[in-house]
Amino acid sequence: DAGITQSPRHKVTETGTPVTLRCHQTENHRYMYWYRQDPGHGLRLIHYSYGVKDTDKGEVSDGYSVSRSKTEDFLLTLESATSSQTSVYFCAISTGGNTEAFFGQGTRLTVV
Amino acid sequence: QQQVKQSPQSLIVQKGGISIINCAYENTAFDYFPWYQQFPGKGPALLIAIRPDVSEKKEGRFTISFNKSAKQFSLHIMDSQPGDSATYFCAASINSGTYKYIFGTGTRLKVLA
Repeated sequence: DAGITQSPRHKVTETGTPVTLRCHQTENHRYMYWYRQDPGHGLRLIHYSYGVKDTDKGEVSDGYSVSRSKTEDFLLTLESATSSQTSVYFCAISTGGNTEAFFGQGTRLTVV
Repeated sequence: QQQVKQSPQSLIVQKGGISIINCAYENTAFDYFPWYQQFPGKGPALLIAIRPDVSEKKEGRFTISFNKSAKQFSLHIMDSQPGDSATYFCAASINSGTYKYIFGTGTRLKVLA
């Protein structure tokens, strides 16, 4: 794997609680992405970052926020978790310029 | 217009057969079309990619065919092997400042021994 670490790898949380997922890279790539993977929906973009403190929404951003205070870290926060946010979350990085996006191992989040 | 439509949802192929997965897009600004392979419990990994200035790209047993006028592209896996059993995603992106990757819904391929 291309120097991407997601933490935690598994988490079970209760409805209404805040949750933060972390993506850490050692590749110094400018672009970072958060996707969620659900059966029948493939990979859907939640938020992305094109630089430190530069972020924007993806197609399924409602209920999620992100922060990127350092090049290497991209945090995804569920302000108040709901059962519909039960999913596998993937972080990805790229250098841009239509090059390969590298994915982390994923975080399996269950909201009960 | 940002969608990438992928079919079939699942595919079963005999060992040695040809696996074909199709994708279609609407946004003509897309200019990079990668295919990703994902094994259970792992993140997706780049398999092969194509740009719209060529109609075909081959890497080993894997070939992308690209039809710009039809806005369609497909992945062909020749001599399919049980080890190819995985989920495959097509994707598209635009060579602009944000370089977002838009993914298809995925195809679960099973190759029977």
